[in-house]
Parts: sequence; structure tokens; C-alpha cells
Amino acid sequence: QVQLVQSGAEVEKPGASVKVSCKASGYTFTRYSIHWVRQAPGQGLEWMGIINPNGGYTSYAQKFQGRVTMTRDTSTSTVYMELTNLYSDDTAVYYCSRDTGSYSAYWGQGTLVTVSS
Amino acid sequence: DIQMTQSPSTLSASVGDRVTITCRASQSISSWLAWYQQKPGKAPKLLIYKASSLESGVPSRFSGSGSGTEFTLTISSLQPDDFATYYCQQYDTYPYTFGQGTKLEIK
Repeated sequence: QVQLVQSGAEVEKPGASVKVSCKASGYTFTRYSIHWVRQAPGQGLEWMGIINPNGGYTSYAQKFQGRVTMTRDTSTSTVYMELTNLYSDDTAVYYCSRDTGSYSAYWGQGTLVTVSS
Repeated sequence: DIQMTQSPSTLSASVGDRVTITCRASQSISSWLAWYQQKPGKAPKLLIYKASSLESGVPSRFSGSGSGTEFTLTISSLQPDDFATYYCQQYDTYPYTFGQGTKLEIK
């Protein structure tokens, strides 16, 4: 069965960086892109970008351009999302999800990133 | 970016009611629309894709319709498990934007 398992919660200071991982299993890793979506406390869902594990092609929402980098390691079927220069309003739960015809049928459990001094 | 606007933001209803949530896109997205259900502390769950296709395992009381810029999610007879927040998402053009959500509450 398809599973996406994310890394654990992180606490970072403003200005720092965070790198969240998403390990995929149960399917051929390079066949499906991975989306990253975040949700601030009490707020809605916000699409951040997408990575194609077959070649590493990425597309980022304009809002995060210059601060976000999505990478993949095909040897471990893991994708990573790094966000730099963190602000307090980057405090959110970050989700990875597997692309299925461009929508997301499979989701990770979420990773809480707290930005606080 | 394509703006997705859901209405209402909050909906109060009773078990057994028929409810409809609307999602409007700021430009045509053909049928490239998905609906998700989210419960507190959980990841979103896919209900509908391509505007009207029911995801496997999702109860048939959920249905979607629409194309172009106007879409609806209908729950034909609310069950206790359906009280949650619902989001639409367009996947026609990057960035794949979400609506702001509709919270379905028990009346």
C-alpha cells in the first residue's frame, strides 16, 4: 500500500532553515511527483510546490521562490523540502502528498514546524 | 494565480440533511478540480477528482459537479462522520490553489 512517512516535528528560530523529509513506499518512486502543502494553525491549505522524482524537476509557488528547495534521493525513495530564512508565520504543519493525475490521493501524516525565538 | 472562492465559509446542518458547497474559480479550469475533507489534526482526504469522479472507497452520498468556473460538492444525506472542513483545489495551472475551506458544523 502507498505510504508517505514524514520526519518529526521541528522547532526553529527566526532566520534559520528547516528541512522536512517524506519517505515513500508501496509504489515505484520515480513514477509520481510529490506535492508539498502547508497549513498554518487554524488556517486553510496552501500549495507550496511540486517535485518530479524522475529527473528532479520542480515548480514552486511564487510566494516561496528563493526560500524553498525541493530535492529527492532516489536511492532511499525520499523527497525533501527545505525552507530557509524562516519567519514566525512559517509556523505550520507541512504535508507531502503523492500526485495522482495532478491531484493528491495519498498524504503524509504532516510535520509541525514551529518558528519561535 | 487562479483564485478559488468557496461558499459558505461555515455551514450548520443536521444529520440527514442534504448540503451543497460551492467553489468558484477566477478563470476557467475545465474540470480540473478536486474536493478534500479534513478533520482536526489529520491530513486531507481526497473525495472527488476531475470535478465529478468519486475516489475509490468514498461513500456514494458524496457527489461533485460543474466545469469551467463553477463547481459544487453535494452530500445527499449527512452522516455524523461528515462533520469536517471541506476544501476545493484547482489543478489546471501552477500554483495549484485551494479554496479557503468550508466548515460543516452540527446544527
